[in-house]
Amino acid sequence: AQSVTQPDIHITVSEGASLELRCNYSYGATPYLFWYVQSPGQGLQLLLKYFSGDTLVQGIKGFEAEFKRSQSSFNLRKPSVHWSDAAEYFCAVGARGAGGGADGLTFGKGTHLIIQP
Amino acid sequence: DGGITQSPKYLFRKEGQNVTLSCEQNLNHDAMYWYRQDPGQGLRLIYYSQIVNDFQKGDIAEGYSVSREKKESFPLTVTSAQKNPTAFYLCASSPNTQDYNEQFFGPGTRLTVL
Repeated sequence: AQSVTQPDIHITVSEGASLELRCNYSYGATPYLFWYVQSPGQGLQLLLKYFSGDTLVQGIKGFEAEFKRSQSSFNLRKPSVHWSDAAEYFCAVGARGAGGGADGLTFGKGTHLIIQP
Repeated sequence: DGGITQSPKYLFRKEGQNVTLSCEQNLNHDAMYWYRQDPGQGLRLIYYSQIVNDFQKGDIAEGYSVSREKKESFPLTVTSAQKNPTAFYLCASSPNTQDYNEQFFGPGTRLTVL
């Protein structure tokens, strides 16, 4: 079974500084990888996804992530954070079910991002 | 507007009562999912359905039940057998069951059992 680890529960970054959120996964084949963002009391919004091809993927709101198979990582980055980026960030992995088709996602426990003025 | 709706946003129930959470989508998606979110625990999969009249258990299905009578609807019932039902519940849908597409999430329902 697949699993996802987000080692940082909380991260504090100054506005305008760069950001990197870590994500490590465990899966036997090429994974499908996602980053979602959640504002308090809201649903999840997709930031970006990796299925195959170029290992550096661009997402919305200026975010990017790099898939590194050798490190089993899919870290999220942003060169300059804004106060509006304060939220909960989730990394997720998806796997094709034994019978084909899309099963549910496996999520990490999330990283809470705090932006300092 | 296309999207996923969940109702109600907040729900309060007494211990021992069953309660049904609504999830509707007008995106014409084939697959639908229910997740439970607890503080510091991320999201955990309860049930999912890839086609009408068929569904599968996720990682924490005990104490929950679902139905999929229509493509656009996937209600979740939290039964009295669920030991700790207070949580934030998120419904999601995905457009294609043969290729892996991202899941689109509703706004969630916060259930509090008193």
